Amino acid sequence: KQEVTQIPAALSVPEGENLVLNCSFTDSAIYNLQWFRQDPGKGLTSLLLIQSSQREQTSGRLNASLDKSSGRSTLYIAASQPGDSATYLCAVRDNYGQNFVFGPGTRLSVLP
Amino acid sequence: GAGVSQTPSNKVTEKGKYVELRCDPISGHTALYWYRQSLGQGPEFLIYFQGTGAADDSGLPNDRFFAVRPEGSVSTLKIQRTERGDSAVYLCASSPSGTWGETQYFGPGTRLLVL
Repeated sequence: KQEVTQIPAALSVPEGENLVLNCSFTDSAIYNLQWFRQDPGKGLTSLLLIQSSQREQTSGRLNASLDKSSGRSTLYIAASQPGDSATYLCAVRDNYGQNFVFGPGTRLSVLP
Repeated sequence: GAGVSQTPSNKVTEKGKYVELRCDPISGHTALYWYRQSLGQGPEFLIYFQGTGAADDSGLPNDRFFAVRPEGSVSTLKIQRTERGDSAVYLCASSPSGTWGETQYFGPGTRLLVL
């Protein structure tokens, strides 16, 4: 059974810092991996989707990498801003089903 | 265009009662997913519809949970004899065709509290 973990569980940084969020998964037979953002009381917003054949995706200040063989992905946020404060969720879609398996999330606070 | 919508946004009920949660997917999306998110956790898969049929219901925790999508658009998640442990945020997502490379678009969720 696929399991997804995220480290750290919570992170607080001053504005302007570059930061890295980590995601690990136990079964490397994944189809793709997606990073989401969740604001309090809101649904999930897709940030980046990496197919299993890709190694990274970039969107603005965000860069996500994927190392399928080691079961790891990182989300890099450059020049963090207070508006980046949210919970960041990693999810993998494996080769066995249509659904995503989510990690517990990293709660990020960017202080002005 | 309109995103995924869910109603109600909040639902408070008593233990043992029956509840229905509604999801309106993005128009034209054939794939629809239900997830449940407990406090401090990531969402957990419940059920996936392709059109009107439940293609994968392996995530439903027990037979008190049931979902329908009779016309291939709106879906209703039904919970019978609610228990306090059912308290969570129920998220709905849709995608255009359900192909494995697609992203899923999530609604804001229904926050269910069972007293």
